[in-house]
Amino acid sequence: DAGVTQSPTHLIKTRGQQVTLRCSPKSGHDTVSWYQQALGQGPQFIFQYYEEEERQRGNFPDRFSGHQFPNYSSELNVNALLLGDSALYLCASSRTSGGALVYNEQFFGPGTRLTVL
Amino acid sequence: KNEVEQSPQNLTAQEGEFITINCSYSVGISALHWLQQHPGGGIVSLFMLSSGKKKHGRLIATINIQEKHSSLHITASHPRDSAVYICAVSGDSNYQLIWGAGTKLIIKP
Repeated sequence: DAGVTQSPTHLIKTRGQQVTLRCSPKSGHDTVSWYQQALGQGPQFIFQYYEEEERQRGNFPDRFSGHQFPNYSSELNVNALLLGDSALYLCASSRTSGGALVYNEQFFGPGTRLTVL
Repeated sequence: KNEVEQSPQNLTAQEGEFITINCSYSVGISALHWLQQHPGGGIVSLFMLSSGKKKHGRLIATINIQEKHSSLHITASHPRDSAVYICAVSGDSNYQLIWGAGTKLIIKP
């Protein structure tokens, strides 16, 4: 079992560009959450996807969007990049039991470090 | 006041010492998570607790639901345990994790 994988590992972009980050969940998991962790800060929840829909969203602007595919993998897209978007982007997968609010253990990927110049 | 409070913020100890990191929370939860993050690295989930106590190797996590408090203990600490340890809770009506600020642990040889 490969666990949660993310790609790319590192990425350098310039202001105004767009970026797409990818996450493949752990086998058997159907739920993907995305977090942004700025240097020296704790992770901030961006959004969570389940059944190919955004189930919950944190306090992030519409420049941050996502998608979940039928195979449960997910993408995070950020448009019009700002310097402040430089951070480690973490993906976490979990299994939603029958859609109920039962939160199972989350497994985290290694993260994608995005640098915006 | 933050919904999840950790203490201490920083902890430096000698190899072999018994380590305790505390976490208090003020919201209703469905589970409490202890996670580890090495410098520049990703996050590893150590424990998920909804009651009682769990043990994995030299790590022990306990939770007291009535007191809304959890502790993470490390026995026979080793320099490789140096990392940031984060407490996070799953709210009982919320899908996202609510994170503590983390405890930076340094174990000196």
